[in-house]
Amino acid sequence: EIVLTQSPGTLSLSPGERATLSCRASQSVSSRYLAWYQQRPGQVPRLLIYGASSRATGIPDRFSGSGSGTDFTLTISRLEPEDFAVYYCQQFGTSPPWTFGQGTNVEIK
Amino acid sequence: EVQLVESGGGLVQPGGSLRLSCAASRFTFSNYAMSWVRQAPGKGLEWVSTISGSGGITHYADSVKGRVTISRDNSKNTLFLQMNSLRAEDTAVYYCAKALSPVVVSGAVDYWGQGTLVTVST
Repeated sequence: EIVLTQSPGTLSLSPGERATLSCRASQSVSSRYLAWYQQRPGQVPRLLIYGASSRATGIPDRFSGSGSGTDFTLTISRLEPEDFAVYYCQQFGTSPPWTFGQGTNVEIK
Repeated sequence: EVQLVESGGGLVQPGGSLRLSCAASRFTFSNYAMSWVRQAPGKGLEWVSTISGSGGITHYADSVKGRVTISRDNSKNTLFLQMNSLRAEDTAVYYCAKALSPVVVSGAVDYWGQGTLVTVST
């Protein structure tokens, strides 16, 4: 099973600041099979990024994804009030299970 | 827009069974793999199971394998999750989710239902 470790667990930032979230895999993951989701409090998860770097439909360009192999990054260039949420990465390796990271909580400083 | 509406959750005793349903609309249901993802209270997301568009391929998390069966009725645009031998640790909101890309079984999901709460307790 591929384990995804997200860091930091909590990120305290102010609106307008840049957020950099990390997702590290216990073994190599194809970039095609790495996604990021956002979950606002009390809401359903929303797909942000798929294929490590492709933005999903309707996602603002302040969100970007990068990385390969075992290290992936989600960057939010300038935090808007609605961006304070929990972010999860998920991998779809060659075979299941298709695991999620434990999440990074981006909170208002 | 795509709609996914789950039902069937509730309170069940340990060892009991539940059948979750997810009614899908506004997309060609049979073209897309579907998944169940759960979230225990105050916890993160956990992938549970995925089924291909035709229903011929299924995958399960180790935590539910042998106790859970995913299925679908493409004539009724409905996804199911039959859950048996339920345990306290199965307590969670269960979401159904649609695959982003048609045909592909593994990959990101782009639409989620609102979820149905399963509580396993005496």
